[in-house]
Amino acid sequence: DAKTTQPPSMDCAEGRAANLPCNHSTISGNEYVYWYRQIHSQGPQYIIHGLKNNETNEMASLIITEDRKSSTLILPHATLRDTAVYYCIVRVARGGSNYKLTFGKGTLLTVNP
Amino acid sequence: DAGVTQSPTHLIKTRGQQVTLRCSPKSGHDTVSWYQQALGQGPQFIFQYYEEEERQRGNFPDRFSGHQFPNYSSELNVNALLLGDSALYLCASSLVGLIYEQYFGPGTRLTVT
Repeated sequence: DAKTTQPPSMDCAEGRAANLPCNHSTISGNEYVYWYRQIHSQGPQYIIHGLKNNETNEMASLIITEDRKSSTLILPHATLRDTAVYYCIVRVARGGSNYKLTFGKGTLLTVNP
Repeated sequence: DAGVTQSPTHLIKTRGQQVTLRCSPKSGHDTVSWYQQALGQGPQFIFQYYEEEERQRGNFPDRFSGHQFPNYSSELNVNALLLGDSALYLCASSLVGLIYEQYFGPGTRLTVT
């Protein structure tokens, strides 16, 4: 699995966009970028994933650079409930026999009022 | 539609004892994964079950075992408990074709004294 690097912590003002970066310079051509978050005392929650095109859903947007060596998760209007640890994970989407998610330490996003 | 449920919520055991944790997957899901999360760390993969078989195992000793039932629910068993087994145990379910979009339960907090 490609290694990912995330800042340990970030702050964001409520109502503003939160931009969470992730570096994955060793990503392979068939590896996707997945984002999960974990709110305190809860299990992780799937947010979004993408291969090379930008993706958007009701929770967030994912911007992947053209060389695919980094990506940014964007929460367009952060709320206090978005305070959580955000994990960036790189994995092959299908095929092979490795089915696990490998979590690093993630980024603790704190949304301030 | 109920999400992933786990029981019990909290558990206190003594060193050397055995424990069984239970998980019911999200409706329609056929694959169950178990993770261990120590304080301040990301979840670590224990194993995954599909079609009642262990499909992949992480770097955990044989004291950790599991089972999946025909209704897709699952159990995690830990024998000869050690103090270091104190952690949050997370169950995640998914569809076999969307294996990295995993839905997590709230976890079972195990304390070994």
